[in-house]
Amino acid sequence: GAVVSQHPSWVICKSGTSVKIECRSLDFQATTMFWYRQFPKQSLMLMATSNEGSKATYEQGVEKDKFLINHASLTLSTLTVTSAHPEDSSFYICSAPRGEVTPDTQYFGPGTRLTVL
Amino acid sequence: QKEVEQNSGPLSVPEGAIASLNCTYSDRGSQSFFWYRQYSGKSPELIMFIYSNGDKEDGRFTAQLNKASQYVSLLIRDSQPSDSATYLCAASFGNEKLTFGTGTRLTIIP
Repeated sequence: GAVVSQHPSWVICKSGTSVKIECRSLDFQATTMFWYRQFPKQSLMLMATSNEGSKATYEQGVEKDKFLINHASLTLSTLTVTSAHPEDSSFYICSAPRGEVTPDTQYFGPGTRLTVL
Repeated sequence: QKEVEQNSGPLSVPEGAIASLNCTYSDRGSQSFFWYRQYSGKSPELIMFIYSNGDKEDGRFTAQLNKASQYVSLLIRDSQPSDSATYLCAASFGNEKLTFGTGTRLTIIP
């Protein structure tokens, strides 16, 4: 069964509004979670590493003030897209490592499809 | 810079044949390797991971790792139309962060 959940699965919003996406690890704790973005027919692009109890680490070129990440508990990380614009429309996916055998085996959430009008 | 490279395809394989997907990586410090399958419009799904040289088999899937050649492959035996997807290769350096290849699009022809 699923080990990582995301909510919502899809969202449509108006330009200039903010959208919050939740990522939850199910039945395990994740001190680290990862947020990715994927445009149509392109590969995954890592946006940031979410760290429980501390600031997120953003990849080069990702605006930390636009993509706010909060990892308030060991099972929940949130990504808020602030002042969304049509170019932010994408498929946002989170992942969490669940180290059953290797410490870095990552499981992905089902993704959130964001459409900004 | 750590890189993972895959042939983007598309790779077409007849149903019932063996599909072979290849991946190379640039950093010898890479410790673990992963194969994910991604259907169109869906998120990646873990198929296999491998961290020791040699072969690892799971059902119809076999992952192969050759650290000397910095090469990872995934073999899919008895290919089925449901195997048609994009396959992502990823490498880890032990810090939980994965580096992904661009993916290989596989089509199984009935």
